[in-house]
Amino acid sequence: QSALTQPASVFGSPGQSITISCTGTSSDVGSYNLVSWYQHHPGKAPKLMIYEVNKRPSGVSHRFSGSKSGNTASLTISGLQAEDEADYYCYSYAGSAYVFGIGTQVTVL
Amino acid sequence: QVQLVESGGGVVQPGRSLRLSCAAPGFTFRSYVTHWVRQAPGKGLEWVAIISYDGSNKYYADSVKGRFTVSRDNSKNTLFLQMNSLRAEDTAVYYCAKGIVVVPGAMGTSGLDYWGQGTLVTVST
Repeated sequence: QSALTQPASVFGSPGQSITISCTGTSSDVGSYNLVSWYQHHPGKAPKLMIYEVNKRPSGVSHRFSGSKSGNTASLTISGLQAEDEADYYCYSYAGSAYVFGIGTQVTVL
Repeated sequence: QVQLVESGGGVVQPGRSLRLSCAAPGFTFRSYVTHWVRQAPGKGLEWVAIISYDGSNKYYADSVKGRFTVSRDNSKNTLFLQMNSLRAEDTAVYYCAKGIVVVPGAMGTSGLDYWGQGTLVTVST
């Protein structure tokens, strides 16, 4: 159960688009469309941003979108805003287990 | 309104036990797979365990297998995590979370749509 690989940090200016990658293996991300993404502010509960690779829960901004190709899933944030500054984690089913990504700190310059 | 409320955290010595609870009023708790997730200080999120809607199926992370047991009491809308042989590396905020059902009765969930506020477990002498 190795953590999924994410960039440690991503930077962007307001209004820009950024993409966070999440690389797993053929045993997790590559085998299942059960990939989700979470926004996490320290001291608060994580918030679901994307589920089942590319579905957006009610109430989540259309600026957030997800995709997957092979063993890599991606989260794109368009029109970056100051409130998007947070840690982001991907999460995947892996058969008889689940695994998170190592997390990406998004900084809005 | 869906609500998850964890309790039972605290300071415990290495080797001792602790039981966490997660109360889930306000929704049909018995219909959903639920997860435990933790975050150690300064670290990322880590999946701990999952239990099926009826408690018949459970999976655990390798780091807790054989020491932690997840269970549920659907009559009381409550989830539990029994933690034995605790180690310093188990120190973390523990969250319970509700899974989004993909196939009724299956263990695969496509996301965690509701989370509790977390309860802090500190393992220290």
